Amino acid sequence: DTAVSQTPKYLVTQMGNDKSIKCEQNLGHDTMYWYKQDSKKFLKIMFSYNNKELIINETVPNRFSPKSPDKAHLNLHINSLELGDSAVYFCASSSGDRGRGGYTFGSGTRLTVV
Amino acid sequence: GNSVTQMEGPVTLSEEAFLTINCTYTATGYPSLFWYVQYPGEGLQLLLKATKADDKGSNKGFEATYRKETTSFHLEKGSVQVSDSAVYFCALATGNQFYFGTGTSLTVIP
Repeated sequence: DTAVSQTPKYLVTQMGNDKSIKCEQNLGHDTMYWYKQDSKKFLKIMFSYNNKELIINETVPNRFSPKSPDKAHLNLHINSLELGDSAVYFCASSSGDRGRGGYTFGSGTRLTVV
Repeated sequence: GNSVTQMEGPVTLSEEAFLTINCTYTATGYPSLFWYVQYPGEGLQLLLKATKADDKGSNKGFEATYRKETTSFHLEKGSVQVSDSAVYFCALATGNQFYFGTGTSLTVIP
């Protein structure tokens, strides 16, 4: 009955590989997000989708590509992984109130690139 | 532009001490304000929120009051416990954007 679930929880991979992180929410929210948290705990928005449409696309390398097959899912695909991509990636969702009710976060995916 | 500024950490307190983590914001319009907590190895959890001026959000002994005149939303707790050790994030929502502060790490020692 997890509200926002991400898989995998941990991901260790070599430089140059391609990997995906999956996110699903069962809250009926229409907006989903990907955040990157660095080692200093700083949270940076990467992407936001509303009803499967991209509405926020911050300055991230184009090796990162989000995919939203439906409004309950937002996956993150990363090509040609680099050491600097190591971080914790959080998926989140919010309802149609433009986030005024708050975001619900997944538990994070810790990506380590070696 | 819109932004959130919170006090830098780390903060270390003894058990049962009083906690204040300062948060101020800059925003156009009338934002909603939040405090999120991140326990070690976990995701962010909504701790409390306030949607309009003078609202007080409260949860688990934590409180914060939305002060429009000082553009602040300081987090307080009268008596912290070891289990409160975590990173606390102040945040605001306005328009269709959400802004997080940089986080304040709190360690409570027995």
